[in-house]
Amino acid sequence: SQTIHQWPATLVQPVGSPLSLECTVEGTSNPNLYWYRQAAGRGLQLLFYSVGIGQISSEVPQNLSASRPQDRQFILSSKKLLLSDSGFYLCAWSEDGTTEAFFGQGTRLTVV
Amino acid sequence: GESVGLHLPTLSVQEGDNSIINCAYSNSASDYFIWYKQESGKGPQFIIDIRSNMDKRQGQRVTVLLNKTVKHLSLQIAATQPGDSAVYFCAETGNTDKLIFGTGTRLQVFP
Repeated sequence: SQTIHQWPATLVQPVGSPLSLECTVEGTSNPNLYWYRQAAGRGLQLLFYSVGIGQISSEVPQNLSASRPQDRQFILSSKKLLLSDSGFYLCAWSEDGTTEAFFGQGTRLTVV
Repeated sequence: GESVGLHLPTLSVQEGDNSIINCAYSNSASDYFIWYKQESGKGPQFIIDIRSNMDKRQGQRVTVLLNKTVKHLSLQIAATQPGDSAVYFCAETGNTDKLIFGTGTRLQVFP
């Protein structure tokens, strides 16, 4: 069966520090991968998605970047965090763009 | 389209009543729709889906209705239980590999 792992679960980082959130999927190959951000009490904003290794589509210009160094690994990064980067970050995968996506448990990031 | 900047609307229902949660989508090219349930502090979980060649699909205690003419989607929960309390999101995708979420609705079930 397929599983998705996302870590860490919570993170407190100072303004200006770098960020690296990792997401890995097991039990499937060449999945679509997604990063979403959710502010408290609000909806899910699509940040990046990837349909293959090295292929990244950015939805919202911002202080973040994403990379897919391996087929089932998706990394969200920032060189210098801003206060506005705080939020709940969710990684998800789907077999392709026409089936349901499965989510990780999320990372709650607080920038102080 | 996305409404991520808006506070979530709330639907309050009494335990045992039926709940109807609505969602409007904007992309007429979308052909696959999903309802997710999100509990506090967790990732969204799949509830039910429907493709654009259908207008109704039923699961266990849940029914999704799709009206392509007005680009409207609804989730019906029968005999709502306290465990149904959560935030519910609709999501749409088409031929672009993007899964876009709509405005969520917070469902509160009271005894």
